[in-house]
Amino acid sequence: DQQVKQNSPSLSVQEGRISILNCDYTNSMFDYFLWYKKYPAEGPTFLISISSIKDKNEDGRFTVFLNKSAKHLSLHIVPSQPGDSAVYFCAASEATSGTYKYIFGTGTRLKVLA
Amino acid sequence: KAGVTQTPRYLIKTRGQQVTLSCSPISGHRSVSWYQQTPGQGLQFLFEYFSETQRNKGNFPGRFSGRQFSNSRSEMNVSTLELGDSALYLCASSSGTANYGYTFGSGTRLTVV
Repeated sequence: DQQVKQNSPSLSVQEGRISILNCDYTNSMFDYFLWYKKYPAEGPTFLISISSIKDKNEDGRFTVFLNKSAKHLSLHIVPSQPGDSAVYFCAASEATSGTYKYIFGTGTRLKVLA
Repeated sequence: KAGVTQTPRYLIKTRGQQVTLSCSPISGHRSVSWYQQTPGQGLQFLFEYFSETQRNKGNFPGRFSGRQFSNSRSEMNVSTLELGDSALYLCASSSGTANYGYTFGSGTRLTVV
């Protein structure tokens, strides 16, 4: 049972254009969402997060949008740069007795074309 | 602050053998989580240790086990290796008391032949 889904395994975007990566979840108890970026042979690195009490969080070129009613979040990268080419994972967590377990999606491979 | 250190980086083992992977979290972090990454499956949660106790567990068979030491360093063990255990094993460090996400290590690439 995949609670966090990234239905697009890959995405190609021209440099300078917008990249939109999507993520859907099924558990309405998730209250915190994160995006990680992963380059080959490296561990994932934290990119941006959003709490369920918000619907948007922005950090430079990266913006995450959360639509709780649709159980959907998206990551927008504007403008896209070749260095953004990586695998992007979304993750969700639910606070249970003070502990946090992060459920990850299967990832979307973004390729930014120069 | 030193990052999360995982050793070894690469391992090749034979079916039926057992393997132990090591993770040293960021200094001061008390929580260590382990994930398995395989193509098409994303990051699958194995387990989390906090203050030497397993606090969360994923849906992996009992061949996968772990432990955490008093200095927060953690080890993961896989016994009776199968070909399907070939994967990148990632260790993630966090404070364990706040919902700020993880810092990941670079992973151990395990190949079972």
